[in-house]
Amino acid sequence: TQLLEQSPQFLSIQEGENLTVYCNSSSVFSSLQWYRQEPGEGPVLLVTVVTGGEVKKLKRLTFQFGDARKDSSLHITAAQPGDTGLYLCAGGSNYKLTFGKGTLLTVNP
Amino acid sequence: DSGVTQTPKHLITATGQRVTLRCSPRSGDLSVYWYQQSLDQGLQFLIQYYNGEERAKGNILERFSAQQFPDLHSELNLSSLELGDSALYFCASSVVTGATDTQYFGPGTRLTVL
Repeated sequence: TQLLEQSPQFLSIQEGENLTVYCNSSSVFSSLQWYRQEPGEGPVLLVTVVTGGEVKKLKRLTFQFGDARKDSSLHITAAQPGDTGLYLCAGGSNYKLTFGKGTLLTVNP
Repeated sequence: DSGVTQTPKHLITATGQRVTLRCSPRSGDLSVYWYQQSLDQGLQFLIQYYNGEERAKGNILERFSAQQFPDLHSELNLSSLELGDSALYFCASSVVTGATDTQYFGPGTRLTVL
């Protein structure tokens, strides 16, 4: 069974701070996706990374896929209250995605 | 708005009952996925259909079944409901099928079993 561990589970920071959340597995995935989910809504895809060592930037968000394709990180610069939400990583293999339990981020004004 | 619709939004029922959750994928998407989300287990993949055929199975209980119809909408049937089946159930769709495809999630159905 493929498992994805996300850390930290909860994170509460002040507006303007930087943060990094992690997604780790003992399994190799063909792709790694990051989603953000807001209360009462479904997850929304932020990025997909497929190549080991790949780095993608989306405005203030930087995503990295580990060289061995087993782990990933999400770094947010100068966090804003609008970044508040549940951040989920998902590893892709064959026809399905395996999700981590997520990091619940709260950015306080 | 992802373009994926799910009905009903909320469902309250009793143990032992059977319910049907419905999902309409985005226009043009052939793949439909069902997920269960609970506080302790997180988002769990249940089952995937591609153009009417079952493509992949995850942690789906035998009491649960799903199908995808010719018009590509999908239904998830949950029977002999137990308290532990209370959760958010999400449907997602994608154009084709594969580990790198973008899945678009619906707003979910919140099931409460009393």
